[in-house]
Amino acid sequence: AQKITQTQPGMFVQEKEAVTLDCTYDTSDPSYGLFWYKQPSSGEMIFLIYQGSYDQQNATEGRYSLNFQKARKSANLVISASQLGDSAMYFCAPPSGGNEKLTFGTGTRLTIIP
Amino acid sequence: EPEVTQTPSHQVTQMGQEVILRCVPISNHLYFYWYRQILGQKVEFLVSFYNNEISEKSEIFDDQFSVERPDGSNFTLKIRSTKLEDSAMYFCASRKGLPRNTGELFFGEGSRLTVL
Repeated sequence: AQKITQTQPGMFVQEKEAVTLDCTYDTSDPSYGLFWYKQPSSGEMIFLIYQGSYDQQNATEGRYSLNFQKARKSANLVISASQLGDSAMYFCAPPSGGNEKLTFGTGTRLTIIP
Repeated sequence: EPEVTQTPSHQVTQMGQEVILRCVPISNHLYFYWYRQILGQKVEFLVSFYNNEISEKSEIFDDQFSVERPDGSNFTLKIRSTKLEDSAMYFCASRKGLPRNTGELFFGEGSRLTVL
């Protein structure tokens, strides 16, 4: 079974600072990458960024980037210049299984302080 | 922009009653999923559905749960006899292909089920 570890249950960060959210995962299939989703207080799941396992470079998407270390099976999310609207739960999720379902970690609750 | 839609947004039911949660995935998507999230906890996989059949299900998805795609557009989750512990937010999700090819899994806004 997939094991996903997000070691930071909660983080408080000053607005405009960068923040790194940790994620390590244990998968038997090295070909799978990893997703990050954001869940604001309204409850919806918002896709942020995907890192393919064989991508040569770390994925970036606007203010989001991944620090992907395949050998260590970690894919930490970096949010640059944090904004108040970044306050939310953040989940990492590697795909697994034949239909590549996502298995979510326990999440990190990020609070941006003005 | 196409989106996954779910109804109802909130349903309150008595323990032992049957509940059907409905989802309309994005029209050209082929893979469908149900997840649930008990309040304050992580998002848990329930079931995946492809080519008109269940492709994988979790331990949570016992005989009380069923899914179907009756008409090629709706994707429903039925709970036959609800229990208190079924109270949760239920998310439907769909994707066009596998993530290595097409990436993102699109989620609906969720259906909150409260069992009294």
